[in-house]
Amino acid sequence: QVNLVQSGAEVKKPGASLKVSCEASGYTFTTYGISWVRQAPGQGLEWMGWVSPYNGNTKFAQNFQGRVTMTTDTSTSTAYMELRSLRSDDTAVYYCARETVPGTYNYWGQGTLVTVSS
Amino acid sequence: QSVLTQPPSVSAAPGQKVTISCSGSSSNIGNNYVSWYQQLPGTAPKLLIYENDKRPSGIPDRFSGSKSGTSATLGITGLQTGDEADYYCGTWDISLSDNYVFGTGTKVTVL
Repeated sequence: QVNLVQSGAEVKKPGASLKVSCEASGYTFTTYGISWVRQAPGQGLEWMGWVSPYNGNTKFAQNFQGRVTMTTDTSTSTAYMELRSLRSDDTAVYYCARETVPGTYNYWGQGTLVTVSS
Repeated sequence: QSVLTQPPSVSAAPGQKVTISCSGSSSNIGNNYVSWYQQLPGTAPKLLIYENDKRPSGIPDRFSGSKSGTSATLGITGLQTGDEADYYCGTWDISLSDNYVFGTGTKVTVL
């Protein structure tokens, strides 16, 4: 069965960088794109971007352009999301999600809580 | 603020029906498929509907989706206490450099 397991909760200081991992299993990793979605406390879902494990192509939401990097390691079937210059309003649960067709996210990681605080 | 607008909340008694609207524009819903997600408290979202009206395997037919013009609708019939959750629509938006967007979210309360 398809499973996405994310790295654990993190506490970061403003200005620091964050890197969250998402290890996939149960399918051929290079077949489907991975998106990252975040949810601030008590708020809705916010799409951050997408990465293709097949060729490394990426697409980022305008809000994160220049501050986010998304990569994959096909040898370990792991996707990574790095967010730089963290601010307090980056405090959120970060999810990875696997698409079946573009924009259809059938499988989600368990979420990684990131707290940005001085 | 999202470009997809949903009502903040809807409610109904067990066994009744609720509908949740998702209003957009020609740059998003009008020219793209819509998906719907259910998020139970403290859990990751779950896909309920894709390509406007299709259900993934395992999703009961109490859940239905439709699209007309620049709006989409999620329907839940035979409401159960376990349906109490937040629901989000989602689609691509070509005016935002082909970014994916989620709706503002709707809280369903079972009275």
